[in-house]
Amino acid sequence: EPEVTQTPSHQVTQMGQEVILRCVPISNHLYFYWYRQILGQKVEFLVSFYNNEISEKSEIFDDQFSVERPDGSNFTLKIRSTKLEDSAMYFCASSREGQNSPLHFGNGTRLTVT
Amino acid sequence: GNSVTQMEGPVTLSEEAFLTINCTYTATGYPSLFWYVQYPGEGLQLLLKATKADDKGSNKGFEATYRKETTSFHLEKGSVQVSDSAVYFCALISSGGSYIPTFGRGTSLIVHP
Repeated sequence: EPEVTQTPSHQVTQMGQEVILRCVPISNHLYFYWYRQILGQKVEFLVSFYNNEISEKSEIFDDQFSVERPDGSNFTLKIRSTKLEDSAMYFCASSREGQNSPLHFGNGTRLTVT
Repeated sequence: GNSVTQMEGPVTLSEEAFLTINCTYTATGYPSLFWYVQYPGEGLQLLLKATKADDKGSNKGFEATYRKETTSFHLEKGSVQVSDSAVYFCALISSGGSYIPTFGRGTSLIVHP
């Protein structure tokens, strides 16, 4: 069964550094998402992407965040200047359609900001 | 706005015990409801879903019934196994406007042999 793959599985970075989290969604899916989960807290929506542009974003997704689909297969999340509170598990997801279509999640990237 | 409230965990059970994980929601319109499961070290996987009132979603022995009158979607299993140990997330997608799922906090289930 096709999977969403994320790399790296664990990223450690220093405060103020830029990080890029990478995802390869399922190939025939059209909607792409980033969520994050701070340890012990709920899974929070960051951004959704459709037709090569951001379709929705949350309050968390401020100017330090950006997303790209650079080559038709990868879907990246960039954090420009990381803060300690960005430490979390970041999940990429994709879905074939929007409404009522279940999300398929990757295994996540654990980001640790020191 | 939309929100999902789940019971606090962890829920600790012995093998073959009956499981209930409570989930209630607030949403505009008639949302679709989902349960996702996250096994250790993995991403979330869809476990079951229900798209309209009184629908029952079921998978792998788990069940949940969409109760519009109580705005609930409680997850149940008659006899849990050690392999069911995971974190369970209730989620909804609102019927109007955004198709972005809203997740609950997650409930950790620990099953002992």
